[in-house]
Amino acid sequence: KAGVTQTPRYLIKTRGQQVTLSCSPISGHRSVSWYQQTPGQGLQFLFEYFSETQRNKGNFPGRFSGRQFSNSRSEMNVSTLELGDSALYLCASSLDGYEQYFGPGTRLTVT
Amino acid sequence: DAKTTQPPSMDCAEGRAANLPCNHSTISGNEYVYWYRQIHSQGPQYIIHGLKNNETNEMASLIITEDRKSSTLILPHATLRDTAVYYCIVRVYGNEKLTFGTGTRLTIIP
Repeated sequence: KAGVTQTPRYLIKTRGQQVTLSCSPISGHRSVSWYQQTPGQGLQFLFEYFSETQRNKGNFPGRFSGRQFSNSRSEMNVSTLELGDSALYLCASSLDGYEQYFGPGTRLTVT
Repeated sequence: DAKTTQPPSMDCAEGRAANLPCNHSTISGNEYVYWYRQIHSQGPQYIIHGLKNNETNEMASLIITEDRKSSTLILPHATLRDTAVYYCIVRVYGNEKLTFGTGTRLTIIP
């Protein structure tokens, strides 16, 4: 069974731009969660989607948004990028609320 | 979710058992203990979870104290590939939000 895939793997953007990251969950998984990892703040929960609805949200500004499609694929968007948004963005999927399986992440660099 | 406390770093000799402790003294009755690990720059990897009974799978064993205030993850025969940051997380079933602490950086020494 294929694991969680994330695209792109690496991305360089300029301050003020916006970016969209994509996540394809494991087949059959309906829950997709997003995390941000930085050296200073560690791994932080952004939001979770289940059946196309945002079910849980972390403490991030409104510039961070996401959505989920009917096939469970998910995207997250960051608008008006700031230097501090440089991070590893991780996506995780789960089937039954127990184990979450993480993708390899997208490394975003904002210059 | 309850907070967890882990030592920041540990070393273990290759081939020996690695025992990683975690304190979760404020855990609630419906919170599970989960362990994940993250090898440098990769996504975290699920290892094991438990509620109150000891658990074992092909990767590790999880020992939870009777009062559930602490637990130990055991890697029975550590290899160099087990070098990673190990995270202990407590979580209510169905709540997909994982609250990661700073974890324990485990280094396996040849």
